Amino acid sequence: GEDVEQSLFLSVREGDSSVINCTYTDSSSTYLYWYKQEPGAGLQLLTYIFSNMDMKQDQRLTVLLNKKDKHLSLRIADTQTGDSAIYFCAESYQAGTALIFGKGTTLSVSS
Amino acid sequence: DVKVTQSSRYLVKRTGEKVFLECVQDMDHENMFWYRQDPGLGLRLIYFSYDVKMKEKGDIPEGYSVSREKKERFSLILESASTNQTSMYLCASSVPHGAGFNSNQPQHFGDGTRLSIL
Repeated sequence: GEDVEQSLFLSVREGDSSVINCTYTDSSSTYLYWYKQEPGAGLQLLTYIFSNMDMKQDQRLTVLLNKKDKHLSLRIADTQTGDSAIYFCAESYQAGTALIFGKGTTLSVSS
Repeated sequence: DVKVTQSSRYLVKRTGEKVFLECVQDMDHENMFWYRQDPGLGLRLIYFSYDVKMKEKGDIPEGYSVSREKKERFSLILESASTNQTSMYLCASSVPHGAGFNSNQPQHFGDGTRLSIL
């Protein structure tokens, strides 16, 4: 069945770049998402990428997709303490359908 | 802005009680979803609905049921609450497939209900 894998923890220093990695197993996935969850809150969509794209950049965020290896990454440039949160990778076949989530990567940013 | 509202942020109930978690969205979305979130397990899909009075089981439906009497409201019901249902419950909504990919907002989430079963 479908599976999405992420490392559980990442610790960086303020000002450094963070790279959160994700692998997925379903080659028919069409949409891949990154969500952010701050403590005590719901999920906030950060960015997304279609499977026919290799890269997407949005301000400090860069998403890279290696479809051959089924590998997705999220790079946060100039990481700030406010970026400390749990980051979820998710995939779906079609926009608007149920998502399959990874277990989440807890990003800790120290000053 | 889309708003998904879950009726309670925190809820404490007793074993065996029937528990209702309510979710309302204000964007006329056809699709609605219930997930539970547990440490180390991520989000798991409980039930979803693509239309009024329609429901489909997700990955972990056992011990739960849902109700979708109106388009804007999707209720999750714990028929007889048990301690292993202590969790964070998240509701989400979205436009249906084929309605055009609404960029940046494929699924909107509520703030979650942290449910404790004693």
